[in-house]
Amino acid sequence: GESVGLHLPTLSVQEGDNSIINCAYSNSASDYFIWYKQESGKGPQFIIDIRSNMDKRQGQRVTVLLNKTVKHLSLQIAATQPGDSAVYFCAVQGGKLIFGQGTELSVKP
Amino acid sequence: DSGVTQTPKHLITATGQRVTLRCSPRSGDLSVYWYQQSLDQGLQFLIQYYNGEERAKGNILERFSAQQFPDLHSELNLSSLELGDSALYFCASSVGPVGSGELFFGEGSRLTVL
Repeated sequence: GESVGLHLPTLSVQEGDNSIINCAYSNSASDYFIWYKQESGKGPQFIIDIRSNMDKRQGQRVTVLLNKTVKHLSLQIAATQPGDSAVYFCAVQGGKLIFGQGTELSVKP
Repeated sequence: DSGVTQTPKHLITATGQRVTLRCSPRSGDLSVYWYQQSLDQGLQFLIQYYNGEERAKGNILERFSAQQFPDLHSELNLSSLELGDSALYFCASSVGPVGSGELFFGEGSRLTVL
């Protein structure tokens, strides 16, 4: 079955720096990828998604990059702010939507 | 506010007991998903229903069952509870089947088994 892994369980960045959170998946048939943000005590919240026919998609301060060759997904957050502190999950769909373990992002003022 | 409502928010019970968690999806959403979030396990997919029918199944234990009713609300039943079942249980909804759009998550039901 599908497995989804993240490279780092925690990431600490300085306010104003760019953050990069990575994710790897196993199923080459996966066709839909989503990044979620989960703040303490809340449910996951959609950030951005990308389909397999694209390799880059940009939102407001966030960019998702998809490399299907190496089955790798990344989320880039520009000018990271304290409000970006949260756990970030990638989710991969190949029949079911499977979540990775999450990376906890801490932003130092 | 995602529009997904879960009750109860907190639940404390004893081993061997049975509980029911309830989820009301966003208005117009036909799919309901259940996820379990434990401290070290991330978000584990349990089961998905689409318009009343089971659509996909994850690592759901036999002691757990779920259903989606004609009004599209869903219930997750957990029986013969064990200490290890203590977790946050999230419900999410989407308009269509998986892949047709983002999932909207509720705030979760925190289950503590003593």
